[in-house]
Amino acid sequence: DAGVIQSPRHEVTEMGQEVTLRCKPISGHDYLFWYRQTMMRGLELLIYFNNNVPIDDSGMPEDRFSAKMPNASFSTLKIQPSEPRDSAVYFCASRKSSDYGYTFGSGTRLTVV
Amino acid sequence: GNSVTQMEGPVTLSEEAFLTINCTYTATGYPSLFWYVQYPGEGLQLLLKATKADDKGSNKGFEATYRKETTSFHLEKGSVQVSDSAVYFCALIVPSNYQLIWGAGTKLIIKP
Repeated sequence: DAGVIQSPRHEVTEMGQEVTLRCKPISGHDYLFWYRQTMMRGLELLIYFNNNVPIDDSGMPEDRFSAKMPNASFSTLKIQPSEPRDSAVYFCASRKSSDYGYTFGSGTRLTVV
Repeated sequence: GNSVTQMEGPVTLSEEAFLTINCTYTATGYPSLFWYVQYPGEGLQLLLKATKADDKGSNKGFEATYRKETTSFHLEKGSVQVSDSAVYFCALIVPSNYQLIWGAGTKLIIKP
């Protein structure tokens, strides 16, 4: 199993540009989570999906952030327009409903200049 | 509400020293408890878990025992190595919503 795959690993973009982060969960996992990690705020849950349906997006900081899961094997997190304060590492994680163990991707380090 | 409190870091030890990272929790019901590890530049990996009181989770020489009476899940290792240098996160899941509640993380630095 290749694990949770995120792309890109690093993204540097200019303020105001659109950024799209991608995630492929582990096959058979029916929950998918998007987290943001910063030094100031630690790990924050942004949104999670169950069977491709968004369940809780209360952690999404602003309307500039949106997430989709069009099928069981793919999810995107989009920021439009991006701002310097969005700079962080964004993690995707997945798990099976029958198991409490989360599997994390390697993350996308986003830098907005 | 549900919460996890970890000892603040960084924790700096010499190689082969004994390690304890304290973790206490507040939760409704009967949570499951976890330790995750994050190596530099990587994502979080599940290190060990315990799903009920008095369970002991263990992996890679690390151990933690679910203590309901003290609401604790302290991480221990008898002899640390330089390769154990990482950030360690304590976390819990409550059955009501199955979401992970994270501690702030403890950075561990092992010097040769």
